[in-house]
Amino acid sequence: NAGVTQTPKFQVLKTGQSMTLQCAQDMNHEYMSWYRQDPGMGLRLIHYSVGAGITDQGEVPNGYNVSRSTTEDFPLRLLSAAPSQTSVYFCASSYGATGSSYNSPLHFGNGTRLTVT
Amino acid sequence: GQQVMQIPQYQHVQEGEDFTTYCNSSTTLSNIQWYKQRPGGHPVFLIQLVKSGEVKKQKRLTFQFGEAKKNSSLHITATQTTDVGTYFCAGKAGTALIFGKGTTLSVSS
Repeated sequence: NAGVTQTPKFQVLKTGQSMTLQCAQDMNHEYMSWYRQDPGMGLRLIHYSVGAGITDQGEVPNGYNVSRSTTEDFPLRLLSAAPSQTSVYFCASSYGATGSSYNSPLHFGNGTRLTVT
Repeated sequence: GQQVMQIPQYQHVQEGEDFTTYCNSSTTLSNIQWYKQRPGGHPVFLIQLVKSGEVKKQKRLTFQFGEAKKNSSLHITATQTTDVGTYFCAGKAGTALIFGKGTTLSVSS
């Protein structure tokens, strides 16, 4: 199993450009999520999904869109990049979340380092 | 919304000293998870605590969950240079997992 795969590893964008960060997992996990990590701010949840066709907003959703058309893929779209979106982005997945009072451990991808100039 | 607060933000120790990081939630947690992120790496799951007052050990690491299930701690005995990294706690908020800001540990030999 490859686990959680994120592409690209590095990306530089100009203000106003759009792009999609890709995330794929091969563990048949129901739950997938996107976090951004900034110095001193920890990991902040952007969007998450508890299954195909279901998405929801996290703590910092503005400026980002997601969709979940398959169990395996959970792309994150930046609609119009801004310097404030310069960050390291992590995709994470886990087994089963709906209706459970517990969380299964999150499996993280290696991250995408995004710079917006 | 739910907040998970972690202190201290940074800690530097000499190799062999002990280290503790604390996690506090504004609401009662159903469970809490701990992760470690090495410099330049991604967070890796360490452990999950579920029961009130639960204590779990992994070699030199001791994890505790408070009686009220609103706080938790991670204690490392006799730190080693391999313990360097950022330690995060994470608590469940609805369906999602909310992370604290982390404690970055540096160790000098």
